[in-house]
Amino acid sequence: GNSVTQMEGPVTLSEEAFLTINCTYTATGYPSLFWYVQYPGEGLQLLLKATKADDKGSNKGFEATYRKETTSFHLEKGSVQVSDSAVYFCARIEHGSSNTGKLIFGQGTTLQVKP
Amino acid sequence: DVKVTQSSRYLVKRTGEKVFLECVQDMDHENMFWYRQDPGLGLRLIYFSYDVKMKEKGDIPEGYSVSREKKERFSLILESASTNQTSMYLCASSRDREDTGELFFGEGSRLTVL
Repeated sequence: GNSVTQMEGPVTLSEEAFLTINCTYTATGYPSLFWYVQYPGEGLQLLLKATKADDKGSNKGFEATYRKETTSFHLEKGSVQVSDSAVYFCARIEHGSSNTGKLIFGQGTTLQVKP
Repeated sequence: DVKVTQSSRYLVKRTGEKVFLECVQDMDHENMFWYRQDPGLGLRLIYFSYDVKMKEKGDIPEGYSVSREKKERFSLILESASTNQTSMYLCASSRDREDTGELFFGEGSRLTVL
């Protein structure tokens, strides 16, 4: 089927540690891919995106590369901060005759960064 | 600042009550969406709308209806609330039908049905 799968959380890291949150997708074709972040008490906001294979999205020190061979879009950051503590959602766009612009989200991964 | 505003952050209702969740966006966006967020399940799409008075079912529309009488406002209605509708409800909007998927979200409405 068409879905987005993320690694289960919570992920707990110490400040300045390296972060990877895995995301894989199933789809026909090559949909645009996204990472959204939800800080405590807030709505989701777009973190980064990639619209075609081999694209790298980046923002706020986070990066993710669109890998069509492995159908993956893993989120990485070299040195996390306490302020990065949040829930991270991987998503892909769903294309279709009536579904243009609709997103399919993964289940979310909670990141906790300790000082 | 662009904004999506949800009318209530927290609601407590009783089983069988009719519940209205209101969402307003000030960005003149064409598309509006209602999702529910549950632990371990991520976000699931309930309904969406690409234009005034237009609506389409998402993945889990049962037990819900929507109304879009004005471009800026998209309401989610629970005709007869049930305990399994206890959840966080998120409203979102995006610019137009060919948008690349950037959604702007409200802060959410946490509904508890007793």
